[in-house]
Amino acid sequence: NAGVTQTPKFQVLKTGQSMTLQCAQDMNHEYMSWYRQDPGMGLRLIHYSVGAGITDQGEVPNGYNVSRSTTEDFPLRLLSAAPSQTSVYFCASSRDRGRLITSGANVLTFGAGSRLTVL
Amino acid sequence: AQKITQTQPGMFVQEKEAVTLDCTYDTSDQSYGLFWYKQPSSGEMIFLIYQGSYDEQNATEGRYSLNFQKARKSTNLVISASQLGDSAMYFCAMRLSMDSSYKLIFGSGTRLLVRP
Repeated sequence: NAGVTQTPKFQVLKTGQSMTLQCAQDMNHEYMSWYRQDPGMGLRLIHYSVGAGITDQGEVPNGYNVSRSTTEDFPLRLLSAAPSQTSVYFCASSRDRGRLITSGANVLTFGAGSRLTVL
Repeated sequence: AQKITQTQPGMFVQEKEAVTLDCTYDTSDQSYGLFWYKQPSSGEMIFLIYQGSYDEQNATEGRYSLNFQKARKSTNLVISASQLGDSAMYFCAMRLSMDSSYKLIFGSGTRLLVRP
């Protein structure tokens, strides 16, 4: 199994450009999410989805859009890139959508990360 | 407030020795999951071990084990027989049933360096 696949691994953008970070999982996981990791701030949740057709905002959603048209895919769109969006982005998924929070079904599997630089 | 605290910014351990990484958590939720992730210099987040709040036994996964003390709200990671490849950043994290986003709340991490 491939697990969680993120592309691209590296990207440089100019301020104002738009782009999409791709995320796909082949584990039939219900829950998918996007995090960003900044130095000294740990990982913060951007957007999440508990199933196909359902998305919601996390802690830091401004400047980002998501959609979940299939169970497998959860792309993250940067609408108009800003230098403040320079970060490492992680996609993560779990089998459980939150109903089994005390079971191993809620372990989050992460993709390899995407390093984005906005000039 | 829901919070994870890792008080050891950096630690050294001699190869083949055991090391304990500390983690305390703060929540009023009764249902939660506790996780440890490893982040090597290559940057990926690797899941190591999980403990559910209702689990009575301490979790073990190979060389990794947890010292879960619910009353003290601590879940320390023990790595036995350290290897050079264990050098990495280690994050403790928590998911709460009362949080509708089910986000992972991360600690600030502990950087472990294994000496040959």
